[in-house]
Parts: sequence; C-alpha cells; structure tokens
Amino acid sequence: EIVLTQSPGTLSLSPGERATLFCRASQTLSDYLAWYQQKPGQAPRLLIYGALSRVTGIPDRFSGSGSGTDFTLTINRLEPEDSAVYYCQQYGSSLRTFGQGTKLEIK
Amino acid sequence: HLVESGGGLVKPGGSLRLSCAASGFTFNTAWMVWVRQPPGKGLEWVGRIKSKSDGGTTDFAAPVRGRFSISRDDSKNTVYLQMNSLKTEDTAVYYCSRDYFGATPVPWGQGTLVTVSS
Repeated sequence: EIVLTQSPGTLSLSPGERATLFCRASQTLSDYLAWYQQKPGQAPRLLIYGALSRVTGIPDRFSGSGSGTDFTLTINRLEPEDSAVYYCQQYGSSLRTFGQGTKLEIK
Repeated sequence: HLVESGGGLVKPGGSLRLSCAASGFTFNTAWMVWVRQPPGKGLEWVGRIKSKSDGGTTDFAAPVRGRFSISRDDSKNTVYLQMNSLKTEDTAVYYCSRDYFGATPVPWGQGTLVTVSS
C-alpha cells in the first residue's frame, strides 16, 4: 500500500496570502496524484488531477505541482471560502489511498 | 448524479448493504469506488469495481478485505457495497464516486451514515 503523508496538519493564514500544502508518497507515483477540497458538512470535491491539471471550473488560484514522490498544492490570494480540509489521493496503484489531510484556516 | 442509500444502525457482527444510484454519465463503462469517512476523521478508500468490459473485478483496502464486497447492476445504474462482520471501527459516512481523474468529474453524493454499535 502506498502511504501519503501530508504536511502541515493545520495551516492558518490571512485572506490574500498564499497557502502551500505538501504531500509525500512512500513510492513513486509518476503524476498520478489528485487533490480534493472538503468543506464542513460537504462531500469532497476534486480540484487537481495528474498532479498539476485543474478540474473544469476550479479557479486558477489553485495550482498543483510535483512528480515522483513529492507534490504541492498552492492556493494564491486566499479567500475566506478556501477554508477547508485538503486531501491528496494517489491513483498510481490499484489500491488507491488518501493522505490524512491538511486543515486550512483563514483568519 | 450519485445518491447513496441504505445506511443505518447495525450491531457489531451484523451486515448491511449500501446502494449508490448514478446518473448523468455512462455508467456501464465507469469504474466505481466506495470511500468512507469516520466521524471527525479523514477519507479512507474502501474499494473499487471495474466496468464489466474491463473485467468487473474488485479491489479492497486491507481493513475491509474479506468482509466487504462490491457489485454492480448496469441495468439499474447502481453499485452496491455489501458489508459483513461489521465492526465498531466501520462506523463512517460512506460515499460512492466514479474512479475518474479528469477535467469533468461527477460530483460526489452526500453519503450515507453507517453506525455500528451495540
């Protein structure tokens, strides 16, 4: 099983700042890495796939980067609505796995 | 697009079958997955069923392997999660989704809550 480790666990930033979230895989994934956003009481929503491609309708403030074992989700010009938990998920193996999540708080 | 049902309260050792009705995409070629989220915790991938044209095979995460099974009825655009020998640690909201990573994903449903308790 591929283990994904996300950091930091919690991030507290102000509107207008930039958030940088990390995801490290225990084995190489090529670019089979996705990012999800989950707001309280809601189902997860896919933001990024293929490590760096945005889903249709996702603002370009959200960007993904990385390959192999180290990946990053960057959110520019933070808005209050970006407050959520963000999960990475790998689909490089038959057994998909999620990271434990990073909680982003907007002060 | 995806509507889960069948959750509820069940005693440890019991069984439950969840359903997920799909619409808005070509279901019979879709690989479908179940993901769960214990209260206040993160997402856990449970298992997947491939399309019949890709063999219809299933894969499961270690914690549920041998206890859970997934099936599909393409005539009803529905995927099922059969859960046996339930444990208290299976308590979670269960979501189904399409195993798809591309520009136009199907939005997840709201999930169905399974509570395993005596």
